Amino acid sequence: SQTIHQWPATLVQPVGSPLSLECTVEGTSNPNLYWYRQAAGRGLQLLFYSVGIGQISSEVPQNLSASRPQDRQFILSSKKLLLSDSGFYLCAYRGVGAEAFFGQGTRLTVV
Amino acid sequence: RKEVEQDPGPFNVPEGATVAFNCTYSNSASQSFFWYRQDCRKEPKLLMSVYSSGNEDGRFTAQLNRASQYISLLIRDSKLSDSATYLCVVNRGGGYQKVTFGTGTKLQVIP
Repeated sequence: SQTIHQWPATLVQPVGSPLSLECTVEGTSNPNLYWYRQAAGRGLQLLFYSVGIGQISSEVPQNLSASRPQDRQFILSSKKLLLSDSGFYLCAYRGVGAEAFFGQGTRLTVV
Repeated sequence: RKEVEQDPGPFNVPEGATVAFNCTYSNSASQSFFWYRQDCRKEPKLLMSVYSSGNEDGRFTAQLNRASQYISLLIRDSKLSDSATYLCVVNRGGGYQKVTFGTGTKLQVIP
């Protein structure tokens, strides 16, 4: 069965510091992978998606970037965090029926 | 117009009540539809798919109205444990890779 792992669960980072969030998927090959952000009390905003190694589509211009160095690994990064980058970051993979399955999320607070 | 729209609520209903949420979508070519549940500070979890003919899972009934471009979720005999935010998902299908979420409808079941 497929599983998705995301870490860390919580993170407090100072403004201007770098960020690296990692997501890995097991039990499936060549999955579509997604990064979402959810601000407090808001909906899910799609940030990036990837259909394969090295293939990244960006949905919203911002302070973040994504990479997919391996088939089942998806990384979200920033060189310098802003206060507005605070939020709940969720990684997901797409199932065969086009539904999305999420990792447990990373709650990022930029201070 | 947003691709997927939901009434944010909150819907405050007494235990045992029946409650219904709608979700409208803008792209008539949309092919796959889902309802998710998100508990506070947790990741969204798939509740049920929505099939053209409508489908039921226990107290939950999902329906699709292609002519009016909306999906609905009906919850009968509400339980306290049903309190959560309910998100709809609409996918265009085919080669379209994005998974688009509505902003969610918050449900609070009151004793």
